[in-house]
Amino acid sequence: AQSVTQLGSHVSVSEGALVLLRCNYSSSVPPYLFWYVQYPNQGLQLLLKYTSAATLVKGINGFEAEFKKSETSFHLTKPSAHMSDAAEYFCAVSGFTGGGNKLTFGTGTQLKVEL
Amino acid sequence: DTAVSQTPKYLVTQMGNDKSIKCEQNLGHDTMYWYKQDSKKFLKIMFSYNNKELIINETVPNRFSPKSPDKAHLNLHINSLELGDSAVYFCASSRLAGVSYNEQFFGPGTRLTVL
Repeated sequence: AQSVTQLGSHVSVSEGALVLLRCNYSSSVPPYLFWYVQYPNQGLQLLLKYTSAATLVKGINGFEAEFKKSETSFHLTKPSAHMSDAAEYFCAVSGFTGGGNKLTFGTGTQLKVEL
Repeated sequence: DTAVSQTPKYLVTQMGNDKSIKCEQNLGHDTMYWYKQDSKKFLKIMFSYNNKELIINETVPNRFSPKSPDKAHLNLHINSLELGDSAVYFCASSRLAGVSYNEQFFGPGTRLTVL
C-alpha cells in the first residue's frame, strides 16, 4: 500500500524566510505525488504535482518541490514566506485501487508565518 | 465559474436523523469522489464514482449511501447520524479514473455537526 508521512504537524517561519515542508513517501511502484493547500474553512487547492516528467516541480504561488527517489522524499519549499502562505499543507500520493484512483494523504502541516 | 460545488456548506443536526449532501461539478470530469476530514484534519477517501458507477468503497458504514444520478453529480446520504459522523465532507472530481496522475479538484466542503 502507498503512504506518505509529513514530518512536523506545525511549522513556524518568519515572513521572508525559507519555507520547507517535509514529505516522505512509501510506494512499491513509481509514485504520483501531490501537494495541496487548504486555507481556513476552504477546500483543497492543488499547489503542484509530480508525474515523473521532471524531478523539480514548480507550482503556484512560488512553491516548488523536488522528487528524490534515493531519499523517498518530495519536500515542498518556497524561498520567501509571505503572510498569505499561512495555511494547512497536505502531501498526497495517488494510487490505483479497485478500478479507480484514490489520493492517500499525509496528516498535514500547519504553516504559520510570523512578522 | 467552473468548479466543484457542494450544498449545504454547514449542516447541524441531531443524532439519529438522516441527511444528504449534494455535489455538482461543471468541469466535464467523469470521476467524482467523497472524502472525509476529521477533527484532526486527516483526510480519507470514502467513495469514488466513474460515469455513475461505484468504483471505490473504502469500508464505510452502510449508513452512508452515495448516489450519482449523472456524471456531473454525486450526492451523499447518511442515515441514522452518529456523533462520530461529525466532520468536514469534501467532494472532488477528476478526469479519467484509470490515470493516477490526474489531479483531483475539490469542493469547498460541508461541515457536518451531529449533536
